[in-house]
Order: sequence, then structure tokens, then C-alpha cells
Amino acid sequence: GEDVEQSLFLSVREGDSSVINCTYTDSSSTYLYWYKQEPGAGLQLLTYIFSNMDMKQDQRLTVLLNKKDKHLSLRIADTQTGDSAIYFCAAQASGNTPLVFGKGTRLSVIA
Amino acid sequence: DTAVSQTPKYLVTQMGNDKSIKCEQNLGHDTMYWYKQDSKKFLKIMFSYNNKELIINETVPNRFSPKSPDKAHLNLHINSLELGDSAVYFCASRLEGSPSYEQYFGPGTRLTVT
Repeated sequence: GEDVEQSLFLSVREGDSSVINCTYTDSSSTYLYWYKQEPGAGLQLLTYIFSNMDMKQDQRLTVLLNKKDKHLSLRIADTQTGDSAIYFCAAQASGNTPLVFGKGTRLSVIA
Repeated sequence: DTAVSQTPKYLVTQMGNDKSIKCEQNLGHDTMYWYKQDSKKFLKIMFSYNNKELIINETVPNRFSPKSPDKAHLNLHINSLELGDSAVYFCASRLEGSPSYEQYFGPGTRLTVT
């Protein structure tokens, strides 16, 4: 089955860029997502990318997909203290298959 | 507010008890899910319902029984609670046929079994 891996921790200074990386194993994964979880809260969808895309940009967020290497990254420009949270990568083969989540990357932003 | 809501937000109970968690969405979605997030924040699908029919049932003990009275509701009933059931349970929903298949999550129910 699908396995999604992420590094567990990332620490950056306020104003710097953050890059969170994710790898997945199932080459048939068609939909790839980034979710954000703040302490004590549910998951908030940040952005998504389809497997036929290489890049997607949405304001401060840039998603890069290397389908050959099954590698996904999320770049947050001008990282703010409010960006401190856990970021989950998730992969899905089709709309009817389960979302498979990575273990989450805890982003700490130092003022 | 349009959202996915869950009740209760916190649930503390003793081993062996039976409890239910409720989920409602007013987004007009037709597919709903239950996820379990353990103490290490690992998130895993448990069940999925589409138009009140079970379509995904991952390896979950049969003490867990989802019930969907209508498209807007998916409740989770847990019998004979065990210590290992302590976790945060998230409900989610999506609209079948939406271009991105994105799922919208509820705020979670923190279950503590003592």
C-alpha cells in the first residue's frame, strides 16, 4: 500500500522561507495535498496538486511535484510565527481511495 | 456557519464503556469519513461513507461501528472501550465529483479512556 514519509521537525527564523518535503511510494497517486494543523484544531486544507502538474503557486505557498522521484515539497515564503503548526502531506490514488497521510512535519518559527 | 462539526469535543470515559461521537456537515457533501489521530499525531482513515453507504472500511476492530442516518451525518459508536482507543477522532467530508477531491475536516473529538 501507499506509504507517505515526511521529516518530523523543521525550525526557521521569521521572514525566512520554509521548505517541507514529502515522499510517497505509490506512483498511481493522482492527488497530493498539504494540510495544516494548529494546536488543538482540526486539519485545514492549504493546497493541493494533481499528478499532471509540476508546480502550483498560491500566494506565499509554492508546491513542487517531482513525479519521477515521487517527491512533493511545500515552500512557505516569508514565514511568520502564525505559520507554526504541523503540516501533513497526503496522497490519494483516486477520489474513492483513502487519503494516506504522512506523520506530519512540526514547523517552529523563531521570532 | 458552513462547516463540519463534531460532538463532543472532549470525551473522558472508563474502559469497558460504550460511547458515540457525532458528526454533521452542512456543506452539501455526499461522502464522509472518520479518521483516528494517535498520540504521535499519526492520522489514519477508519471509514468512509458515500450517500449513506459504507465504501471504505480499513482494518478497524468491529467494536467500532459507523452509522450514517443521512448524507449529512456520520456517527461513530464504540463498544467496550479500551485504553488504546484514546486518540483524537476526526470527521471529514467531501463532495463527490469535486475537481480536487479535497476533504474538509471537523475540529476533532479527543477521546480519553481511563
